[in-house]
Amino acid sequence: EVQLEQSGAEIKKPGESLKISCKGSGDRLITEWIAWVRQRPGKGLEWMGTIYLGDSDTSYNPAFQGQVSISADKSITTAYLQWRSLRASDSAMYYCARRRKLGSVFDYWGQGTQVTVSS
Amino acid sequence: EVVLTQSPGTLSLSPGERATLSCRASQSITNTYLAWYQQKPGQAPRLLIYGTYNRASGIPDRFSGSESGTDFTLTISRLEPEDFAVYYCHQYGRTFGQGTKVEIK
Repeated sequence: EVQLEQSGAEIKKPGESLKISCKGSGDRLITEWIAWVRQRPGKGLEWMGTIYLGDSDTSYNPAFQGQVSISADKSITTAYLQWRSLRASDSAMYYCARRRKLGSVFDYWGQGTQVTVSS
Repeated sequence: EVVLTQSPGTLSLSPGERATLSCRASQSITNTYLAWYQQKPGQAPRLLIYGTYNRASGIPDRFSGSESGTDFTLTISRLEPEDFAVYYCHQYGRTFGQGTKVEIK
């Protein structure tokens, strides 16, 4: 079974940088894809991008391209989501999820990382 | 990019009733890549259905999925108290629908 453990809640000011993490454990996780999903307060789910832990091959939702960076460290089976300059509109819950090969579904989810950006 | 449009936005039903949730794709998609998730307040989403028809591990058989062309349907045959939640459709590991909230009438 796969388990995804995300880093803790963050409170930041506009313009600050941030990197949150998603550490995976379980069988052969290094051969898996990890996705990031944003959920703004009271809103729906938005796919941000997906990274292959094995070689860091990354696919972005065009709406998030250039706004965030997704990276990974396969030696510790961890995926990251990074901002260089946060905005208030980045305030949201961020989930990571394992994208299963069969059907490309997100079958295991992290617990979420709450990011609050406020002056 | 495929757009998924869910309807209705909110469904008000009583326990024991049947719920029918719709997800329409803006273009033809392979049914292998259509999934449904359930999300309860304060929780991460949970996979319910994958490949349009297949229940994920541990999902009760009152949940079922079907398709007709570019229209996909999630049916909950008899609502249990724990089924009141928000449901999302999802395609190819990318686009989500905007969600349907199933609330207690």
